[in-house]
Amino acid sequence: DQQVKQNSPSLSVQEGRISILNCDYTNSMFDYFLWYKKYPAEGPTFLISISSIKDKNEDGRFTVFLNKSAKHLSLHIVPSQPGDSAVYFCAASAQNTDKLIFGTGTRLQVFP
Amino acid sequence: EAGVTQSPTHLIKTRGQQATLRCSPISGHTSVYWYQQALGLGLQFLLWYDEGEERNRGNFPPRFSGRQFPNYSSELNVNALELEDSALYLCASSSGTGPTGELFFGEGSRLTVL
Repeated sequence: DQQVKQNSPSLSVQEGRISILNCDYTNSMFDYFLWYKKYPAEGPTFLISISSIKDKNEDGRFTVFLNKSAKHLSLHIVPSQPGDSAVYFCAASAQNTDKLIFGTGTRLQVFP
Repeated sequence: EAGVTQSPTHLIKTRGQQATLRCSPISGHTSVYWYQQALGLGLQFLLWYDEGEERNRGNFPPRFSGRQFPNYSSELNVNALELEDSALYLCASSSGTGPTGELFFGEGSRLTVL
């Protein structure tokens, strides 16, 4: 049972445009969400996070939106750059647990 | 500052053999996490060690085991290898307890079981 789902395995966006990566979750106990970026042959690196007490968190070109009623979060990258081309993982955890549950990832390709 | 280091980078084994993967966390980090990334699946939580103790494990059979040494480095052992154990194994470390904060990942060890 996949508790964190990234239904789009890949996304292609033109440079300068907005990239929107989506993530859905099923466990209503999740209260902390993170996005990781992974380049080939490297481990994932932390990108941005959001607590369930917020509905938006912004860091430079990256913004994460959380819709708790829909159990949905999204990562917006504006403007997209070729260096953003990577696999993006959504992850979630529940309060007082130690497990991060990851989605299957979305491969973003930003073309010139 | 050195990041999380894992060895070996690649490992090829045959069914029934044992594999040992190693991880050195960032200096000062006491928590080490192991994840498996199999083809088509997300990162699956395997094990969490903190201060030398196993704190939690994911839904994996007992043939997946490990330990954490006094210097906080860690070892993942997979016994009686099966074909489906072929995956990228990622180690991560953090300075706090629990992974709700930032995890620092290594580059992974790719295990191939023939």
